[in-house]
Amino acid sequence: QVQLVQSGAEVKKPGSSVKVSCKDSGGTFGNNAISWVRQAPGQGLEWMGVIIPKFGTLNYAQKFQGRVTISADKSTSTAYMELNSLTSDDTAVYYCAREKPTSSGPTSQHYFDPWGQGTLVTVSS
Amino acid sequence: DIQMTQSPSSLSASVGDRVTITCRASQSISNFLNWYQQKPGKAPKVLIYAASSLQSGVPSRFSGSGSGTDFTLTISSLQPEDFATYYCQQSYSTPLTFGQGTKLEIK
Repeated sequence: QVQLVQSGAEVKKPGSSVKVSCKDSGGTFGNNAISWVRQAPGQGLEWMGVIIPKFGTLNYAQKFQGRVTISADKSTSTAYMELNSLTSDDTAVYYCAREKPTSSGPTSQHYFDPWGQGTLVTVSS
Repeated sequence: DIQMTQSPSSLSASVGDRVTITCRASQSISNFLNWYQQKPGKAPKVLIYAASSLQSGVPSRFSGSGSGTDFTLTISSLQPEDFATYYCQQSYSTPLTFGQGTKLEIK
């Protein structure tokens, strides 16, 4: 069974950076995309970007372009999300999630399953 | 960007009630629509994918319908464990976007 296990909670100063990891224990790392989604306290879900580890393909949400770096290490089945120039508005739970395809054909869609357990990043002076 | 708008934002209902949540996309997304359930302190969990396909292991009281811009999630008979927040999400194009959520509370 695929599981995504994320690194622990972080407390950061404004202006600093944070790097969150997401380890895939299911043995299928590389074949499917991994997205990063964040959720500010009491708020909804916000997609940040995606990586396809097998190809190194990246796609970032415009909002985070230039400030976020998503990467993957196939040797350890781990994806990473690094966010720079942190402000208090970046205080949130950060999730990784696998994009599971609905089929193997050309008309396949995808949905998020499974999700990591989430990593709380608190930005405070 | 495709905007996803859910209604209502919150809903009070009783065990056994039939509940419907609506999600509207700002442009046509065919059936590229997924529904998630989130409980406090937990990651979201997929219920419905491709607008109407029930995820394995999800109770059959959950169903989804719609195509184009208008979609619904229906819970046929609410159970105590269904009180949670529900999100729709479009997978038609990036940036992938979510509705603002519908909080389902006990009446």
